[in-house]
Amino acid sequence: DAGITQSPRYKITETGRQVTLMCHQTWSHSYMFWYRQDLGHGLRLIYYSAAADITDKGEVPDGYVVSRSKTENFPLTLESATRSQTSVYFCASRFAGVDYGYTFGSGTRLTVV
Amino acid sequence: DQQVKQNSPSLSVQEGRISILNCDYTNSMFDYFLWYKKYPAEGPTFLISISSIKDKNEDGRFTVFLNKSAKHLSLHIVPSQPGDSAVYFCAASASRSGATNKLIFGTGTLLAVQP
Repeated sequence: DAGITQSPRYKITETGRQVTLMCHQTWSHSYMFWYRQDLGHGLRLIYYSAAADITDKGEVPDGYVVSRSKTENFPLTLESATRSQTSVYFCASRFAGVDYGYTFGSGTRLTVV
Repeated sequence: DQQVKQNSPSLSVQEGRISILNCDYTNSMFDYFLWYKKYPAEGPTFLISISSIKDKNEDGRFTVFLNKSAKHLSLHIVPSQPGDSAVYFCAASASRSGATNKLIFGTGTLLAVQP
């Protein structure tokens, strides 16, 4: 199916574990983004990518790593998960040009215990 | 430092009435503004946008107003319907900054439309 898909939908992990959240889009959008949603904070940008092999930090990048070896994939890795990283994570993508806006995936709910 | 603020965490209105959701921003470089709507367990979906060269943009029941001098925008929904019940996020970007047009989101307002 065309679109943007995130996996897994739900994940429980232990403190200190490494965990990777996957994001895949089928539109060949050049830009991809990772946001986290937390009560009282709204959506905060973690990392973004303008194209394959080009990534940059957002508002809250600490504790996260991203890569983009292919245009369609933008995985987000928590190298050593902490309880403060319990959140809902959204991936988004768009074509160049702000008029297009962003298209979001359905989210991954991550719980760190 | 919250650059985009939605000071009302929730709003309740009667079906058929007007819903007004507000958003304030602090960064004068912002020149493009969007509203997203989010249902539980789903990703946000684009609703309506406005460029800083305009002060109003309308799409069906949804109208966004921009007051640049006050650094304030609002979303009007008329008439409100129960299906409009969702979290609404305001977002802003600085497209002329030369950097990626990354969106900065507000904290969201939960709208409940009562039948």
